[in-house]
Amino acid sequence: DQQVKQNSPSLSVQEGRISILNCDYTNSMFDYFLWYKKYPAEGPTFLISISSIKDKNEDGRFTVFLNKSAKHLSLHIVPSQPGDSAVYFCAAGGQGAQKLVFGQGTRLTINP
Amino acid sequence: NAGVTQTPKFQVLKTGQSMTLQCAQDMNHNSMYWYRQDPGMGLRLIYYSASEGTTDKGEVPNGYNVSRLNKREFSLRLESAAPSQTSVYFCASLTGGKGNTIYFGEGSWLTVV
Repeated sequence: DQQVKQNSPSLSVQEGRISILNCDYTNSMFDYFLWYKKYPAEGPTFLISISSIKDKNEDGRFTVFLNKSAKHLSLHIVPSQPGDSAVYFCAAGGQGAQKLVFGQGTRLTINP
Repeated sequence: NAGVTQTPKFQVLKTGQSMTLQCAQDMNHNSMYWYRQDPGMGLRLIYYSASEGTTDKGEVPNGYNVSRLNKREFSLRLESAAPSQTSVYFCASLTGGKGNTIYFGEGSWLTVV
């Protein structure tokens, strides 16, 4: 029973275009969502987060959108750069909660 | 500023052998975690420790034990390794409070043959 799902195992995008990574969740108790980026042979690193009181959070080239009614969030990267090639994990939890639940990850490849 | 440090980075074990993965954080975080990453499965929580002296099971605790030695250190032990425990293991710690953010170590690659 996967509470957080990333249905696209991989995504390929041309450099300079927009990358959109999607994530769905089932637990309506989740009210805090994060995106992590992972390069090979390294630990995941925090990228951006959003609280359920917002529907959008922006940080430079990265924007996370939250649609609570659809239990869906997405990460937009624009413009995409070769250094963005990595595996991206979405995660969900409650404010002050001790545990985060992670999705399966999406491998993003940016082509020159 | 080391953050989360875990050792060893690589280990090969024979089935039935035991070993301990060590983890330490220098960020004064209360909560610490052990995750495993397998292809197509994402990051799955093995055990976590909300504070010094407490530990709780996560999603996949079978075959593992943990010990929260002090606020800084959280170890993961495999008592009798099995091939199904071949994985990449990540230790992590949590900032806590508003805006929880988990910080991960660099990972430990474990192969059980």
